[in-house]
Amino acid sequence: QVQLQESGPGVVGPSETLFLTCTVSSGSISGYYWTWIRQPPGKGLEWIGHIYFGGINKSNPSLKSRVTISGDTFNNQISLRLTSVTAADTAVYYCARDAFGDPANYDSWGPGTLVTVSS
Amino acid sequence: SSELTQDPAVSVALGQTVRITCQGDSLRVFLPTWLQKKAGHVPVVVIYGRNNRPSGIPDRFSGSASGSTASLTITGVQAEDEADYYCHSRDRFDNYLIFGGGTKLTVL
Repeated sequence: QVQLQESGPGVVGPSETLFLTCTVSSGSISGYYWTWIRQPPGKGLEWIGHIYFGGINKSNPSLKSRVTISGDTFNNQISLRLTSVTAADTAVYYCARDAFGDPANYDSWGPGTLVTVSS
Repeated sequence: SSELTQDPAVSVALGQTVRITCQGDSLRVFLPTWLQKKAGHVPVVVIYGRNNRPSGIPDRFSGSASGSTASLTITGVQAEDEADYYCHSRDRFDNYLIFGGGTKLTVL
């Protein structure tokens, strides 16, 4: 049973860069889409982006060029980098494995990590 | 449009049937995924594609789609089905994925 665990700072200062890591255990990261999704407090889910090891890497255009998603097959980790954060980036961030791709079928999730943007 | 539109809230009596809808141009081309989200819990996929249920999802959950509208139907609603439900699909040009605004289901 694959397990995912997000890690990163609980608090990030405004205009700083948020860096989160999703560590995947008991399974390979090859052959799947790996997705970041977030949910701001009291609001709905937002798709941030995904990566597929084979050349696919997409992100939400609403985040413009602030998002970078990358993967480390050696350490079995997926990373999210979000630059120039503001209070609007305060959210619970989830990483998820998409086993189907089209349409999405997220069959494994990390527990989520709350990131607060605050000075 | 690259949006998915859902009714903000729906209520249903225990044991009855409820349909949650999602509208968007992209649904004419791409099939959706439906996720259930309870407070303090991670999201759960209940339906993906035309009408596929992941392992462990009760068969009272079903999906359908016609034109620009997709629907999630829960037949014989249980108290534990009270949650927020989100439709999720690709944008019209397959550039990225989007979520609907979510529908809060209340079981009376």
